[in-house]
Amino acid sequence: GQNIDQPTEMTATEGAIVQINCTYQTSGFNGLFWYQQHAGEAPTFLSYNVLDGLEEKGRFSSFLSRSKGYSYLLLKELQMKDSASYLCAALDSNYQLIWGAGTKLIIKP
Amino acid sequence: DAMVIQNPRYQVTQFGKPVTLSCSQTLNHNVMYWYQQKSSQAPKLLFHYYDKDFNNEADTPDNFQSRRPNTSFCFLDIRSPGLGDAAMYLCATSREGGVYEQYFGPGTRLTVT
Repeated sequence: GQNIDQPTEMTATEGAIVQINCTYQTSGFNGLFWYQQHAGEAPTFLSYNVLDGLEEKGRFSSFLSRSKGYSYLLLKELQMKDSASYLCAALDSNYQLIWGAGTKLIIKP
Repeated sequence: DAMVIQNPRYQVTQFGKPVTLSCSQTLNHNVMYWYQQKSSQAPKLLFHYYDKDFNNEADTPDNFQSRRPNTSFCFLDIRSPGLGDAAMYLCATSREGGVYEQYFGPGTRLTVT
């Protein structure tokens, strides 16, 4: 079956760095998305990786290793507004998105 | 600003009473999606349209139906809501399928009493 695994919850301190991991098992692979979702709101797009390596976008970076079925989202200089759920989603061979349940990130002052 | 709009934001319905949720978009995207999301769970795809081409996910209950009368609008009909259908319903669009990011509306929170 197809599966996305990511930690349920993580806690970090304002100003620090946090890495949210995601492993995926899909029938074929056409890329991996990260979305941010604040409580009670809709997901918003953060990043898309299809090639191995790190892509940096401001305070957020996303990494992909296709051979390991692994991705992470790196958040630097954490701010209180970064408290949200972070959803990992992999695109399978049929271009269907397989979603993870999300990692709830709690930022403490 | 181009966007995805969902109405209403909050909907309360009675057990078994049909309800319709609406979604509109000004992005002129070809693809529209309906998701159901329960607390702390992954979004679950119910339907998607590529233009007017309707795609029903295999495990979407018959109780759920959808209509897309034109490019801009899409509706989700729940014929006989049960308590288990209480959830956030998210509408999303994308330019094409697959590799393009999805743009989500703010969602409709459905309560079934």
